[in-house]
Amino acid sequence: ELKVEQNPLFLSMQEGKNYTIYCNYSTTSDRLYWYRQDPGKSLESLFVLLSNGAVKQEGRLMASLDTKARLSTLHITAAVHDLSATYFCAVDMYSGGGADGLTFGKGTHLIIQP
Amino acid sequence: DVKVTQSSRYLVKRTGEKVFLECVQDMDHENMFWYRQDPGLGLRLIYFSYDVKMKEKGDIPEGYSVSREKKERFSLILESASTNQTSMYLCASSRDRYPSNQPQHFGDGTRLSIL
Repeated sequence: ELKVEQNPLFLSMQEGKNYTIYCNYSTTSDRLYWYRQDPGKSLESLFVLLSNGAVKQEGRLMASLDTKARLSTLHITAAVHDLSATYFCAVDMYSGGGADGLTFGKGTHLIIQP
Repeated sequence: DVKVTQSSRYLVKRTGEKVFLECVQDMDHENMFWYRQDPGLGLRLIYFSYDVKMKEKGDIPEGYSVSREKKERFSLILESASTNQTSMYLCASSRDRYPSNQPQHFGDGTRLSIL
């Protein structure tokens, strides 16, 4: 059974600081996704990481994937209040059918304070 | 932009009722998914479908069934609703069969309360 663990689950930080969210998963996979969810809203795709060593950046967010360590990180640089949200990582769990459902971590609730 | 539309934003039903949650996507995506989201548990996959009339169980299919009669529409059915099915239900779609390089696109969710 695929397990996906995120830490921390809750993070309060100040504007201007840097921080990293970690996502560990238990079985081999080379597809990892990061999503953002604002309160009362749906999930918005941030990054799709498709291979070992993949790194993607968008604004103040940077995601990386190490498939050998089964670890992905989401790094926040010089945080701003608008980045306050819940962040989920998800790993595909292909079971031989025609599509791949995702196994999600429990989410990291991020609050950025002035 | 991909649009995934769930028919109800909020729904209140009674124990034992048969409940239908509807989802429509407008981008001719091959795959559609149903998840439920509960505080502290994240999202869990209930069922998914990679073609019309095809369905596969996810992690927590018990008490649910699905229907995909047309490519754009994927319905989640609670056969006999129970209070432990009170949750936020999220529908998603994705473009390609496995292996896919594209993310899943999510609807706004249906918050279902079973009394």
